[in-house]
Amino acid sequence: EDKVVQSPLSLVVHEGDTVTLNCSYEVTNFRSLLWYKQEKKAPTFLFMLTSSGIEKKSGRLSSILDKKELFSILNITATQTGDSAIYLCAVEAYSGGSNYKLTFGKGTLLTVNP
Amino acid sequence: DGGITQSPKYLFRKEGQNVTLSCEQNLNHDAMYWYRQDPGQGLRLIYYSQIVNDFQKGDIAEGYSVSREKKESFPLTVTSAQKNPTAFYLCASSPSGGSLSYTQYFGPGTRLTVL
Repeated sequence: EDKVVQSPLSLVVHEGDTVTLNCSYEVTNFRSLLWYKQEKKAPTFLFMLTSSGIEKKSGRLSSILDKKELFSILNITATQTGDSAIYLCAVEAYSGGSNYKLTFGKGTLLTVNP
Repeated sequence: DGGITQSPKYLFRKEGQNVTLSCEQNLNHDAMYWYRQDPGQGLRLIYYSQIVNDFQKGDIAEGYSVSREKKESFPLTVTSAQKNPTAFYLCASSPSGGSLSYTQYFGPGTRLTVL
């Protein structure tokens, strides 16, 4: 059974702090790892990672994948209150035929206090 | 505007009743998905469909049923056999029928409460 484990489950920081969110996985036939941000309702896409060691960056957010050690980290620098959200990690894996499956972690609840 | 719509936003059901959640998309996407989210848990896949008139069970399909008669519609029925149906339900779609891909678009969700 495919597994995606995120840590920590919750985190409280002050504005301006830097945070690192972790995602480890055990899947068969890995294809990609994805990060989503969920604020109130639907998750919104942040990054897709397929290759080890290549950092993806978007503003203050960045992410990297280690396919040997089977984990990814999401970094947020100079955090702002608007970064408060649940951050979801998901792993896409081939599941037979022409099918792929997305398995989500439980998420990390980030709270940024002013 | 293009997008995914789910209705209703909030739904209350009595125990023993079946209820159907609507999901419609006008993005011309081939693939559609239903997820369930519970507090402290990640999204769990209920059913997915990569093409009209075809669908596959996800990780937690028991007590649920779906149909995909039209490309733009993927309704989810929560049956009385589902033992713990109170949850937040998210529908998603993606343009590729062969891969979930990062371009998975989510609807606003339906919160189902069983009384």
